[in-house]
Amino acid sequence: GNSVTQMEGPVTLSEEAFLTINCTYTATGYPSLFWYVQYPGEGLQLLLKATKADDKGSNKGFEATYRKETTSFHLEKGSVQVSDSAVYFCALIPSQGGSEKLVFGKGMKLTVNP
Amino acid sequence: GAGVSQTPSNKVTEKGKYVELRCDPISGHTALYWYRQSLGQGPEFLIYFQGTGAADDSGLPNDRFFAVRPEGSVSTLKIQRTERGDSAVYLCASSRSSGPGTGELFFGEGSRLTVL
Repeated sequence: GNSVTQMEGPVTLSEEAFLTINCTYTATGYPSLFWYVQYPGEGLQLLLKATKADDKGSNKGFEATYRKETTSFHLEKGSVQVSDSAVYFCALIPSQGGSEKLVFGKGMKLTVNP
Repeated sequence: GAGVSQTPSNKVTEKGKYVELRCDPISGHTALYWYRQSLGQGPEFLIYFQGTGAADDSGLPNDRFFAVRPEGSVSTLKIQRTERGDSAVYLCASSRSSGPGTGELFFGEGSRLTVL
């Protein structure tokens, strides 16, 4: 079946620290990969995505590269800010089917302290 | 408002009662999704509507769960004979279309259901 495994949290960092959140997936074919973020008191929102191997998604200083050989889509940011405190979810859409039927990981809570 | 609206934001009920959760999607969005998020877990797919019809209800856990979208806009998730295991945050999301793998869903803040 299709599944996403992401590193467990919670994680606490100081401002300007480097961030990596690991994400690996299991899927048949060529899924599309996503990172969603949930800020406190808000709904989930799309952070970035990549739809084919070696694509790099980027947004708000975050980046993730679709690595088919390692079935990974790790999220990175070079210098986190307090405003990046949120819960981060890795997700995929299987290659078959025509809907945004996302399969999510468990999420990881990040707290950034000043 | 401009975003996806869900009501109620919190619902506490007793085991065995009937519950309705409402979702008002972004105007013009034809696709609507319901997900359930249990504590410490990621959202899990329940059902997807394209227009008025349920295009995929494979995630509904059993026949106590039902959802409707009679006019292709507002949707209601209905849970009969609630059980304690139904306690979770129920998330609604909408998107402009059901294009293959576009992946951009707009989520509401969710309805937190607690079954005592």
